[in-house]
Amino acid sequence: DSGVTQTPKHLITATGQRVTLRCSPRSGDLSVYWYQQSLDQGLQFLIHYYNGEERAKGNILERFSAQQFPDLHSELNLSSLELGDSALYFCASSVGHGGVDQETQYFGPGTRLLVL
Amino acid sequence: AQTVTQSQPEMSVQEAETVTLSCTYDTSESDYYLFWYKQPPSRQMILVIRQEAYKQQNATENRFSVNFQKAAKSFSLKISDSQLGDAAMYFCAYRSGINDYKLSFGAGTTVTVRA
Repeated sequence: DSGVTQTPKHLITATGQRVTLRCSPRSGDLSVYWYQQSLDQGLQFLIHYYNGEERAKGNILERFSAQQFPDLHSELNLSSLELGDSALYFCASSVGHGGVDQETQYFGPGTRLLVL
Repeated sequence: AQTVTQSQPEMSVQEAETVTLSCTYDTSESDYYLFWYKQPPSRQMILVIRQEAYKQQNATENRFSVNFQKAAKSFSLKISDSQLGDAAMYFCAYRSGINDYKLSFGAGTTVTVRA
C-alpha cells in the first residue's frame, strides 16, 4: 500500500458525460501528479500540482481539468468524454522538495475509466 | 523532451534464474533521476529501484540491481533469483532534476517467470 488513495476504482459512463476522479496523497506529500495509461499512448503525464498551485502540464486535453484543494487532495475532471478517453488514470504523490527520497513519486491504485 | 526507450517488449525467465531488462534514454541534462516501476496484473504501480545520475555507484534493492551507464545513457535492471511474484510489466522512467518533476516512461517490458 503506497498510502495514496484514489476513488472510484472503476467508472463506467457514456460518451459526452463528465466525471470526477479523486486522489488523496500520502500524509505529508505536497505534490500530486496525474497520469493516463492507455493501450495506444502508454503512460503519459497529464498535470502536476504543488501545494495547491499548478506547476506543470503535459499532454492534457482542454476537456480535462484538475485542481488541488487546501487539504491537498486533488480532483481530475474529465468532460465531453469520448471513447478514446477510456484508460487507467493514476494519481501519484511526492513530498515536493529536492532530493531523490523526497521526489520519488508513489502511485495510487488508479481509476479505470470505461467510456461506452 | 526526454525520450525513454525499452527495446524489449517481452522477456521470459526461468524461476531462480537472472533476467536483465534494458532501458536507454535521451537527455541533454546532467542532473536527473531514473526509476524502475513494476506493474503486476493488479495494475498497481510499484517502485522497484531508483538511481540519482550524480551517483556513480549502482543502486541495489535486494534481488534487484541496476547497471547505470551515464555516458551511454543506459539504465538496465537485473532481477536475480527470479520468483513467480516478479511476473509483471516493468517500466523505466526518467525525471529531470532541474525542470518539471514529471516522469517520462518507456513503453514497458513484460516479464514472464516460468516455474
